[in-house]
Amino acid sequence: RKEVEQDPGPFNVPEGATVAFNCTYSNSASQSFFWYRQDCRKEPKLLMSVYSSGNEDGRFTAQLNRASQYISLLIRDSKLSDSATYLCVVTYTGKLIFGQGTTLQVKP
Amino acid sequence: AAGVIQSPRHLIKEKRETATLKCYPIPRHDTVYWYQQGPGQDPQFLISFYEKMQSDKGSIPDRFSAQQFSDYHSELNMSSLELGDSALYFCASSPGSDPSSGNEQFFGPGTRLTVL
Repeated sequence: RKEVEQDPGPFNVPEGATVAFNCTYSNSASQSFFWYRQDCRKEPKLLMSVYSSGNEDGRFTAQLNRASQYISLLIRDSKLSDSATYLCVVTYTGKLIFGQGTTLQVKP
Repeated sequence: AAGVIQSPRHLIKEKRETATLKCYPIPRHDTVYWYQQGPGQDPQFLISFYEKMQSDKGSIPDRFSAQQFSDYHSELNMSSLELGDSALYFCASSPGSDPSSGNEQFFGPGTRLTVL
């Protein structure tokens, strides 16, 4: 069982849709939580950090539930440019531990 | 803004050869991490350095070694290459003074290694 589990998708949505991704992690000692975005054959890029209080960055909202060891990402008003793989990431002793990623395809 | 620089971007080697990958972190970032991403897989942590000392070690084969130099750049040395070493190798840097604290990491563009 992977330490960070995500639904791999793919999620195929029309432009303007709202889409939610979920992630669970197994190590309760995990320290920090992030969502990264990865385009095909490119490096992961930090999308946002995730906090228990929830945080929002434009169309993106992330939430962490430490008790349930659950992380979510909500994307509102999807754009074609949001098409990518979204990686749920936790840190333990500083190193990043990745989920297998969820693929999002936004269609016109 | 300056980003993480990796070289070379692409590398083709034969089995049993040696390869050296280089990473130049973002200025004033003193922590460097190496990750390996195989085809269709998520990145896997290999090794990290803080202030030129190894700070953590993951699933790195004994055939691989790495170090961080006085200018904070890092090199990953890979010997006796195998077909299964073909992957994207990413370097990431972090400004954290404590590498175990889980600070944000910023990735370089990666080196695509192909072993024939």
